[in-house]
Amino acid sequence: SQQGEEDPQALSIQEGENATMNCSYKTSINNLQWYRQNSGRGLVHLILIRSNEREKHSGRLRVTLDTSKKSSSLLITASRAADTASYFCATGSGNTPLVFGKGTRLSVIA
Amino acid sequence: EAGVAQSPRYKIIEKRQSVAFWCNPISGHATLYWYQQILGQGPKLLIQFQNNGVVDDSQLPKDRFSAERLKGVDSTLKIQPAKLEDSAVYLCASSSEAYGYTFGSGTRLTVV
Repeated sequence: SQQGEEDPQALSIQEGENATMNCSYKTSINNLQWYRQNSGRGLVHLILIRSNEREKHSGRLRVTLDTSKKSSSLLITASRAADTASYFCATGSGNTPLVFGKGTRLSVIA
Repeated sequence: EAGVAQSPRYKIIEKRQSVAFWCNPISGHATLYWYQQILGQGPKLLIQFQNNGVVDDSQLPKDRFSAERLKGVDSTLKIQPAKLEDSAVYLCASSSEAYGYTFGSGTRLTVV
């Protein structure tokens, strides 16, 4: 079963705009991770936020976590055509399996 | 460090045929996972190994899927016989407590 559910399922924006994706999960977590997947490729780790953190930044990425609402958001600022990909949230840590949501397909139009 | 290696990159087979995928994890990563990702969905865990022992295979369709990890390093995932609904990307990942998870590029299987 899927732990996370991303919203929206698909998002299309113009280059330079910001893109926001949301993730809801069901059970208590130690951390939450976001991954990117280009078409036909493997998963690339973007950022990890721990359960005691509320916000984290990495370059053009900003992730928030609200454990009371069991939700997280990923913001990509000043998007580029190269950001076109599917984005997944995942829960799991250490040597336990990651459980993924269904993903958000982002299209950035040049 | 070198990444997780998977082969083949692509495979097309007819239904009822058999197929095998290979994965070489990052050196020193004791934990290895196989995921199935159907088009438009997130990856779903099939099986988890710790060294060469199975930790979780509850979602592996054991009537047709099998996996092994010899000597706690490389792993193979086999499907026999394949069905049309097995068309998916099969991802291998390895993990460690210190460095987290690393995914391979996946094998795209098409069953016709």
